[in-house]
Amino acid sequence: AQKITQTQPGMFVQEKEAVTLDCTYDTSDQSYGLFWYKQPSSGEMIFLIYQGSYDEQNATEGRYSLNFQKARKSANLVISASQLGDSAMYFCAMREGGNYGQNFVFGPGTRLSVLP
Amino acid sequence: KAGVTQTPRYLIKTRGQQVTLSCSPISGHRSVSWYQQTPGQGLQFLFEYFSETQRNKGNFPGRFSGRQFSNSRSEMNVSTLELGDSALYLCASSAPLAGSTDTQYFGPGTRLTVL
Repeated sequence: AQKITQTQPGMFVQEKEAVTLDCTYDTSDQSYGLFWYKQPSSGEMIFLIYQGSYDEQNATEGRYSLNFQKARKSANLVISASQLGDSAMYFCAMREGGNYGQNFVFGPGTRLSVLP
Repeated sequence: KAGVTQTPRYLIKTRGQQVTLSCSPISGHRSVSWYQQTPGQGLQFLFEYFSETQRNKGNFPGRFSGRQFSNSRSEMNVSTLELGDSALYLCASSAPLAGSTDTQYFGPGTRLTVL
């Protein structure tokens, strides 16, 4: 079963508007971390934002915020005031458990295109 | 602080050859993970090294191997290359603190083409 689901293969947004990228996850662990990465056409994966399973507040980093709904197992990324440079692939990832043995699991990604 | 570096950035090989990719983590990071990214399969975890020991391995054949040195630099080796090994190979480093909170920071990747 897919541990990370990103149901939007592609998204379009007008410059300066906000956009939400969906991510749902599946885990039976109580302790886990959720991450979002951006991958421009150059290929490098850029870390954007982190949310811990015990964090009570939604994470925010500049124009990025994470809408964390634990009961629904969703961790949507919200990008405010989109810029042309935001055009890229976006990956949601999860790391389970509190020990060192758990590796990252990535979703299939969402390609975001920002229109001028 | 310098980021994760990977060498070479681009590589062209022929079927049957072997290849070695190198990754230098962020200073102070002791965990290095390797991923293969292809259009069809997405991002797939290869293995993770911590303090010179492989502590996690993905579902890849034995042709894929790796190692980590005492300075945390890591190498990945693929023997008997196949056309399907053409991919972007990404290395990521992290500073293990409490497991699930460890953020991985990625290098620019090595794009391998097998002809």
